[in-house]
Amino acid sequence: QQQVKQSPQSLIVQKGGISIINCAYENTAFDYFPWYQQFPGKGPALLIAIRPDVSEKKEGRFTISFNKSAKQFSLHIMDSQPGDSATYFCAVSDHGNNRLAFGKGNQVVVIP
Amino acid sequence: DGGITQSPKYLFRKEGQNVTLSCEQNLNHDAMYWYRQDPGQGLRLIYYSQIVNDFQKGDIAEGYSVSREKKESFPLTVTSAQKNPTAFYLCASNQGRQDEQFFGPGTRLTVL
Repeated sequence: QQQVKQSPQSLIVQKGGISIINCAYENTAFDYFPWYQQFPGKGPALLIAIRPDVSEKKEGRFTISFNKSAKQFSLHIMDSQPGDSATYFCAVSDHGNNRLAFGKGNQVVVIP
Repeated sequence: DGGITQSPKYLFRKEGQNVTLSCEQNLNHDAMYWYRQDPGQGLRLIYYSQIVNDFQKGDIAEGYSVSREKKESFPLTVTSAQKNPTAFYLCASNQGRQDEQFFGPGTRLTVL
């Protein structure tokens, strides 16, 4: 059973635009919400992560928005660049667990 | 340079053969993980180890085996019992609960 669901499956954005990808989860015990970025043929790398004590976290052009009541969190990529074209995975875990459960991924394509 | 190495990058195997994928880390991390990635399926956890000489099954352990005899090494054996082994295999490590997972570059296994 998928513990986290991502949407949309793929996204095409113009350079300079905003990319928004979403994740939804069910288990309220989850308390760690990272986003990983993966380029073709490479391993994923942590992009940004949030814990439920804050509703938003920003690092450069990347922002996580967290809605605890809706059990959703999203990644916003501001001023999207062609170099941001990648697959983005959200993940969840709870404090008692060293495992991450990953979503199926969102493919983002930024066109010049 | 600290990091995770996986070898080989590409691996071809005949049906019915066992094959072992290598994963080595020099980050001094306690925990190590093996994931399988298929198109559109995200990352699925095969096995993980939180300490030397101990490991646990993930979500799709059938047809796979691991060992953790040294802190820096976590080899994965894909056995002939794995029905559909062709996939991209990723190894990761981290220091502890909910810490960033660092990924290796992956091994692409193809069964001929």
